Amino acid sequence: DGGITQSPKYLFRKEGQNVTLSCEQNLNHDAMYWYRQDPGQGLRLIYYSQIVNDFQKGDIAEGYSVSREKKESFPLTVTSAQKNPTAFYLCASSRTGARTEAFFGQGTRLTVV
Amino acid sequence: KQEVTQIPAALSVPEGENLVLNCSFTDSAIYNLQWFRQDPGKGLTSLLLIQSSQREQTSGRLNASLDKSSGRSTLYIAASQPGDSATYLCAAYGGSQGNLIFGKGTKLSVKP
Repeated sequence: DGGITQSPKYLFRKEGQNVTLSCEQNLNHDAMYWYRQDPGQGLRLIYYSQIVNDFQKGDIAEGYSVSREKKESFPLTVTSAQKNPTAFYLCASSRTGARTEAFFGQGTRLTVV
Repeated sequence: KQEVTQIPAALSVPEGENLVLNCSFTDSAIYNLQWFRQDPGKGLTSLLLIQSSQREQTSGRLNASLDKSSGRSTLYIAASQPGDSATYLCAAYGGSQGNLIFGKGTKLSVKP
């Protein structure tokens, strides 16, 4: 089945640790996105990538890093510099261009312990 | 900067009612508008995509309209069912930011 797979579903981070969230898609989409969702705040864009080996910061990139070495994969690292990382993280993909539909994974819930 | 607003934040209706969810956006220079459904603790499921050149899209009991000049979109759900209970999000693509900008959603509850 074509789609977007995020793993793990739940992730626990200790203070000062870096953690990496996985996002893989088999839709042959060029563009991939990471969003953060907090209660009452809606979805906010962290990073996005329109093509392999290139990515741009979104509205809340501080404390996060990404890589795009393969078309299918867009991992997100939550670094120790992110002071409030507890949230629901959503990965999405789409074709490039303005008239395309975005598809989302099932999300990863990250909790600081 | 594009801002997307959804009103109301929550809505409760009895089963069988027809209902309308509202979405407004500040920058009319959008390329498309997309409606999503989100169940608790889950990702987003795409419901309908309306291109900027279109006025509406239909899928089953769902109909979405787009009026760029007034900066509004509506999602019409016919004959609501308890299984329609979820949070509905709209997102505008385009304008000055060139990415999907989301509203905060409308939480719908359909009572049996």
